[in-house]
This record gives sequence, structure tokens and C-alpha cells, in this order.
Amino acid sequence: RKEVEQDPGPFNVPEGATVAFNCTYSNSASQSFFWYRQDCRKEPKLLMSVYSSGNEDGRFTAQLNRASQYISLLIRDSKLSDSATYLCVVNSDSGYSTLTFGKGTMLLVSP
Amino acid sequence: GAVVSQHPSWVICKSGTSVKIECRSLDFQATTMFWYRQFPKQSLMLMATSNEGSKATYEQGVEKDKFLINHASLTLSTLTVTSAHPEDSSFYICSAMRSGANVLTFGAGSRLTVL
Repeated sequence: RKEVEQDPGPFNVPEGATVAFNCTYSNSASQSFFWYRQDCRKEPKLLMSVYSSGNEDGRFTAQLNRASQYISLLIRDSKLSDSATYLCVVNSDSGYSTLTFGKGTMLLVSP
Repeated sequence: GAVVSQHPSWVICKSGTSVKIECRSLDFQATTMFWYRQFPKQSLMLMATSNEGSKATYEQGVEKDKFLINHASLTLSTLTVTSAHPEDSSFYICSAMRSGANVLTFGAGSRLTVL
């Protein structure tokens, strides 16, 4: 089983739609979780951290399910500018040298 | 906010030459920086952890003699791809974490094409 798995997509959705991505991780000792956004040929940029209690930032909601070892990202009212690849990132300990990146889920929002 | 500058953003070189990529933290000190490589349609793969004033820690399968890392100051780490070959063509990205912060800041990446 891969350490961090994501559906590569692409997810094709119309503007205004709600879309959700899941990401599963294999290491039950993983301590912190992030969603990064990466535009084509650009560097990843932090979208949001994922907290145990779940967290929301505007149209974006992240959830963590430790029992099932997955995290999710929900995007409401999709915008054209949301089109990007969303990377799930898992940190296995308190340091940052054990960050594991998923391969990303591509989202395409169309008019 | 924390800014990481990476240079050059694009480089094309002939096979057999060496290429140096710089990663600078502009407004903070970074005792640790990370170097990643990303092939097309693949995710980021950690190559090595660069520690200021000491040797870099390389991930399994990454040749330390081919990918030389120097972290001589708290704001600069360099990655040198020695004797580059076409299979080294990739997108190289560095990242750093501000002390006390909980997020990584990435450089804009360097796209290397070896002819």
C-alpha cells in the first residue's frame, strides 16, 4: 500500500459545484496533515493544515478521520481559479524531514 | 510572510555539465531546508534535507556525489547537479521552514533540461 494515496482525477466540475477529494495514508502514527495546491509548472502552496477537529477556511473545509486514516478536502461554490492539482501531504513525526506527498488530484472547473 | 527565493527558474544545459541551483530564505533564517524533485505528472519526492553547517541527509536512492548540497549560511542552500544527464531533467524545488512556524514555504522551483 502506498504511503499516501489520492485519486489523480481529473475531476471536471462546473462553476458553482461542490467537490470533495479524499486522501488515505498508511502510517497510523502520522501526526500532521496538509493540503497544498499546485498550479501547472509552479511550486506547491499551502492551502490549509488539517486539524483533528476539522477546519474551514472560506469555501474550503478539511477533515481528518484518524480511525479510517484519511483526510478530505471539500470545496464549495467552485471557481474557475480553483482549477489546480491538490496535493495531500502527511508528516510522520514532529519534524519535517518525513513529509510524504500524494501524487495529487487534478481539479478542472469549467464555465 | 516567509519568502523563499530559488534561482535560476529555468536552465538548459548540455549533458556532462554541472548546474547549481540556489535557494534563499529572504526574510527569515532557516537552519533546515529541503530539496525535492518532481517529474511530470508525479508528486514531489524528497531528495535531501539540508542542514546549516553540517552534511545533508540524503534519501534512499539519491546519489550524494551527484547531487551536492551546501548549506553554508542560515539563509542559503545550494544544490549542484554534477555531470548532468538527460534523465536528470526535472523540476527541482526547495523549501524551508521558519523557526517556530508550522508550515513549509516553497521556492518557485527550477526547471532543468539537460540536452
